[in-house]
Amino acid sequence: GNSVTQMEGPVTLSEEAFLTINCTYTATGYPSLFWYVQYPGEGLQLLLKATKADDKGSNKGFEATYRKETTSFHLEKGSVQVSDSAVYFCALSDLGGTALIFGKGTTLSVSS
Amino acid sequence: GAGVSQSPSNKVTEKGKDVELRCDPISGHTALYWYRQSLGQGLEFLIYFQGNSAPDKSGLPSDRFSAERTGGSVSTLTIQRTQQEDSAVYLCASSLFATGAKNIQYFGAGTRLSVL
Repeated sequence: GNSVTQMEGPVTLSEEAFLTINCTYTATGYPSLFWYVQYPGEGLQLLLKATKADDKGSNKGFEATYRKETTSFHLEKGSVQVSDSAVYFCALSDLGGTALIFGKGTTLSVSS
Repeated sequence: GAGVSQSPSNKVTEKGKDVELRCDPISGHTALYWYRQSLGQGLEFLIYFQGNSAPDKSGLPSDRFSAERTGGSVSTLTIQRTQQEDSAVYLCASSLFATGAKNIQYFGAGTRLSVL
């Protein structure tokens, strides 16, 4: 079945450091891929998405590229801020499916 | 409304009691989803509505769980005879399109359920 695997956290960085959170997936066909972010005490917010191979999703300085050959969708940011501290979830939606399939989430903690 | 609204935000109940959780989706969104977020299990899909019907209930963990949606809008998730393992955050999401590349789901803040 379809699944998403994320690197386990927590990830602890200093402000302005480079961030990578790895995400790989297993799916038939060509799923849509998402990164959601959950700030403390809040619901999930869509951060970025990509719907086909080689697409790059970007938002708020975060980027992720849909790599079909490596079945990956790694999240990157060049310079993190304290306000980026949150839990990040990688997710997929396959072509015929409805529910999102989530990874277990990666907690990011950024200190000043 | 402007976003997905869930109520209550927190619910504490005693084991064995029934609880109802409410979700008010974004206006015009025909698809509505319930998920459960618990420690160790991550985010689990529970049920999906298209309009008032539920074509996918595959994630409901037991027959103590049920959900309905009326008027193509508000949905209620009911848990009967609650157990301690039901303690979790219950998230509701809605989307304009249910499948494919346009299946972009918007989430509410969730209801944190604690069963004592």
